Amino acid sequence: DAKTTQPNSMESNEEEPVHLPCNHSTISGTDYIHWYRQLPSQGPEYVIHGLTSNVNNRMASLAIAEDRKSSTLILHRATLRDAAVYYCILRDDSNSGYALNFGKGTSLLVTP
Amino acid sequence: GAGVSQTPSNKVTEKGKYVELRCDPISGHTALYWYRQSLGQGPEFLIYFQGTGAADDSGLPNDRFFAVRPEGSVSTLKIQRTERGDSAVYLCASSPTSGHRGDTQYFGPGTRLTVL
Repeated sequence: DAKTTQPNSMESNEEEPVHLPCNHSTISGTDYIHWYRQLPSQGPEYVIHGLTSNVNNRMASLAIAEDRKSSTLILHRATLRDAAVYYCILRDDSNSGYALNFGKGTSLLVTP
Repeated sequence: GAGVSQTPSNKVTEKGKYVELRCDPISGHTALYWYRQSLGQGPEFLIYFQGTGAADDSGLPNDRFFAVRPEGSVSTLKIQRTERGDSAVYLCASSPTSGHRGDTQYFGPGTRLTVL
């Protein structure tokens, strides 16, 4: 499976934008890029996903590089409730493509 | 609507005992997944069900672990002869279709298993 690389931790001030990077230099042409987050003591929750084009939803935006070797999750205005571990995950069409390969993710700290 | 639920939320057992962990997926979801999360790590895949059958159980660590989904809805993860190393949070997720790479998985809150 293609792997992703994320910083271990990031810090942001409340009400400011946050850009969470993810490198996936070995991504294949059919891999989807998914982001999940896990708040303390909760199960992971879906944030956003995309294939080639940038995507927006009510939670966040996903900016995908033109060569698809990296992507950035953008939280437009961080709140204290956004403090979580954010996972960047690639999913393909292989037999194991349905399983989410979480890695260690980025732990986001939001300070007031 | 109701999300994925897991019971119990916490389970403490002694080494060598047998435990069962239950997952109730979102109604109508055909795909069901079990993951295990150790402290400080991301969740790791254990097993995937499509309907009643286990489509992939390659993540189960050994033959002490077994899971069933007899009617294509509720699933039970069973662990025999528990060991201290089995202590972790066990997460269940479901998705509406067949595990396509664009699908979203919906997670339950997990069961925290502690083996003394």
